[in-house]
Amino acid sequence: DAKTTQPPSMDCAEGRAANLPCNHSTISGNEYVYWYRQIHSQGPQYIIHGLKNNETNEMASLIITEDRKSSTLILPHATLRDTAVYYCIVRPQGDDKIIFGKGTRLHILP
Amino acid sequence: NAGVTQTPKFQVLKTGQSMTLQCAQDMNHNSMYWYRQDPGMGLRLIYYSASEGTTDKGEVPNGYNVSRLNKREFSLRLESAAPSQTSVYFCASSRDRMNTGELFFGEGSRLTVL
Repeated sequence: DAKTTQPPSMDCAEGRAANLPCNHSTISGNEYVYWYRQIHSQGPQYIIHGLKNNETNEMASLIITEDRKSSTLILPHATLRDTAVYYCIVRPQGDDKIIFGKGTRLHILP
Repeated sequence: NAGVTQTPKFQVLKTGQSMTLQCAQDMNHNSMYWYRQDPGMGLRLIYYSASEGTTDKGEVPNGYNVSRLNKREFSLRLESAAPSQTSVYFCASSRDRMNTGELFFGEGSRLTVL
């Protein structure tokens, strides 16, 4: 079973920040949090990952709580092209069994 | 540099027929994966391979077999297709289990079993 829980869907106005939550309350010390997105029926695309510290790249920011039991993916200025299903997964270092949950379907509203 | 290439992209089978989905990556990755995605659902792991010569079952392995032919190629075989196997199949690869490498996905293979 997936180790993460995400809301099934969210709406965000175009130009605003999209904040996608993920709960991973059973995360272990060596497990990383990864975020992917899937646009329409394409193959999922990597966005960002982190262990303890907050991370930022050209696509998004990842905020991980101090207890590591939850995280938030932030798309700073959402556009219509960000409409997709976003998956939060945990991946332990040393384990290849990578399980996806059902993700959050993000709708960007014009 | 093509990344992860899957063939065929589309296939229609009759119940009971067999077929093999092919996957190849050119990134020198050690780990490879097969997922299936049913309409409106998330991805479910079928099988994965941590290295050449090794394979392991994922969440939904029944009805499938896999072969890690070499480091580049990981094939998925349906011996006797059933309508319940109608799905989109995604192959993915990553560097290795000890590296926090992200997954790279192919474009998917859309299979319909009548």
